[in-house]
Amino acid sequence: GAVVSQHPSWVICKSGTSVKIECRSLDFQATTMFWYRQFPKQSLMLMATSNEGSKATYEQGVEKDKFLINHASLTLSTLTVTSAHPEDSSFYICSASGVRYYEQYFGPGTRLTVT
Amino acid sequence: DQQVKQNSPSLSVQEGRISILNCDYTNSMFDYFLWYKKYPAEGPTFLISISSIKDKNEDGRFTVFLNKSAKHLSLHIVPSQPGDSAVYFCAASSDYGGATNKLIFGTGTLLAVQP
Repeated sequence: GAVVSQHPSWVICKSGTSVKIECRSLDFQATTMFWYRQFPKQSLMLMATSNEGSKATYEQGVEKDKFLINHASLTLSTLTVTSAHPEDSSFYICSASGVRYYEQYFGPGTRLTVT
Repeated sequence: DQQVKQNSPSLSVQEGRISILNCDYTNSMFDYFLWYKKYPAEGPTFLISISSIKDKNEDGRFTVFLNKSAKHLSLHIVPSQPGDSAVYFCAASSDYGGATNKLIFGTGTLLAVQP
């Protein structure tokens, strides 16, 4: 149980284009999903928290117009990196809260490379 | 301000011995603590959690100890196996007045179990 998937697992795009990453909870309903970013050899940095049917809450310093988050259903959240630049290259990971609110289950991550 | 700290960036242990990973925190409002295991280019995998009202939680080879007065927790793995080699993150959660629970992650400790 508590399986979270992400798609795609890796993506290469050109500077200026937009990229959408999907996060799905496969076997449970996730009222809350989280998006993280991890730089090499660093910790996970929370970008935003999204609740189903409402606007995402972004962490300080995260541009909401650049990182668009949609949580359309209890099993799907999407992160769109708009007008991507090389500095957006990173490892993006989503997670979902299950029955026990304090536990988060993570997806496998998406490696984004912007050329 | 780093609210959750893992002061040892790496740890090397012989197979069969005990691995002890440490974590310190500063926020006394944290009410749940979690340990995650992470392989490169993958999402973190939940290992074990502990409530702030307990001082020990055990699950198979994994035991987490919490010392609230010292604001310190540790993860014990015994016996250690080569497959345990990964980065271990501790994380803390707080019920922000019933709002969505965010996880605050430590910086991680790379565990290498030598055969």
